[in-house]
Amino acid sequence: GAVVSQHPSRVICKSGTSVKIECRSLDFQATTMFWYRQFPKKSLMLMATSNEGSKATYEQGVEKDKFLINHASLTLSTLTVTSAHPEDSSFYICSARGAHRVGLSNTEAFFGQGTRLTVV
Amino acid sequence: AQSVTQLGSHVSVSEGALVLLRCNYSSSVPPYLFWYVQYPNQGLQLLLKYTTGATLVKGINGFEAEFKKSETSFHLTKPSAHMSDAAEYFCAVSHSGGYQKVTFGTGTKLQVIP
Repeated sequence: GAVVSQHPSRVICKSGTSVKIECRSLDFQATTMFWYRQFPKKSLMLMATSNEGSKATYEQGVEKDKFLINHASLTLSTLTVTSAHPEDSSFYICSARGAHRVGLSNTEAFFGQGTRLTVV
Repeated sequence: AQSVTQLGSHVSVSEGALVLLRCNYSSSVPPYLFWYVQYPNQGLQLLLKYTTGATLVKGINGFEAEFKKSETSFHLTKPSAHMSDAAEYFCAVSHSGGYQKVTFGTGTKLQVIP
């Protein structure tokens, strides 16, 4: 399989500050990246889909101005939680779908390790 | 529209016993189906997937799942549970034709009793 690295794995921030989470595809070019949010004891909720070089497509109910997604290169996407509040505390996971590598299927996306965000 | 229902948020089995995690899906087009495993505070790891072809799919760690179109099911099984199988398992569905928007089930937490 392919490797997706997400950083940081854990972050604690003060209410009102912004936090940036990085998602990198280490050994393939990620044409599409997905950002999920996972609430305690809940499933993953897709927040947005981003294609390299274009604006992200947000799911209904997800605030674009609060959760800024940038996918400027084929190996990096970032999620910035702006003006974070305690209710934004959650586990955020990215996944990436790749191309341009022999043997890499486009029927599968690869997940990062997740970021535990705690806003105090 | 597509959806996934996982029956049982918690399943307990004895070590060495059969593991059966149930998943039913709803999709208006031929689905791609996935099972993922998640360990605490970690991302998801793909166990297996069904896209086309053989309906019995074998995955990693001895798991397998069978796609049954008539029952709209994709149950996950393992003949003999191991302590290391204790984790949360998610069934997921997406439209065929590539990895499009994926819908996840609510997850089943598997407990393995020694």
